[in-house]
Amino acid sequence: GAGVSQSPSNKVTEKGKDVELRCDPISGHTALYWYRQSLGQGLEFLIYFQGNSAPDKSGLPSDRFSAERTGGSVSTLTIQRTQQEDSAVYLCASSLYGGPKNIQYFGAGTRLSVL
Amino acid sequence: AQSVSQHNHHVILSEAASLELGCNYSYGGTVNLFWYVQYPGQHLQLLLKYFSGDPLVKGIKGFEAEFIKSKFSFNLRKPSVQWSDTAEYFCAVNANDYKLSFGAGTTVTVRA
Repeated sequence: GAGVSQSPSNKVTEKGKDVELRCDPISGHTALYWYRQSLGQGLEFLIYFQGNSAPDKSGLPSDRFSAERTGGSVSTLTIQRTQQEDSAVYLCASSLYGGPKNIQYFGAGTRLSVL
Repeated sequence: AQSVSQHNHHVILSEAASLELGCNYSYGGTVNLFWYVQYPGQHLQLLLKYFSGDPLVKGIKGFEAEFIKSKFSFNLRKPSVQWSDTAEYFCAVNANDYKLSFGAGTTVTVRA
């Protein structure tokens, strides 16, 4: 596809369950980012991948959050033992390279609701 | 860490009115500045960006923004809005690295 694809678009889960969110970046983009948008707040950076490596995991809010990227393409964000405060829209973005002047293109997001 | 402030949470205006959305950031070094827009039901997309040079930048759909370094501001403007400009607008900054810091967003509602 032409854009960043995220799945599922919506996810409802029960507190304590694990969830996996998937991101397919634009083909050929080497850099991939995860952000989180909580109600009434701006986007919050979570993690950055350059290729399959994650040089910056500083935004992950707790050790319940992890992410991986394989084949320099698809990325999965995993949240273990979900809590209600994890409810948010999780956005993925990709850019051709990881430098500051590379435009980040965003997917439509996954809306996670933890009951 | 840098922070980004957007002054207005919700703006309501009529078609053909002028629009100005404020954005201030707190970082003293080199910055790259962006405005993103999210139309209802759509994903975030880039409106315009500033890296260097002319502080008045023009973007898509008639939008422009002015970088005023002394005021740490990057305000977005459009002289005459249309109903189709109804959207949420986000200012974003990176401190010459890859990580974008976003403002909380401004919802713009244009009444026909």
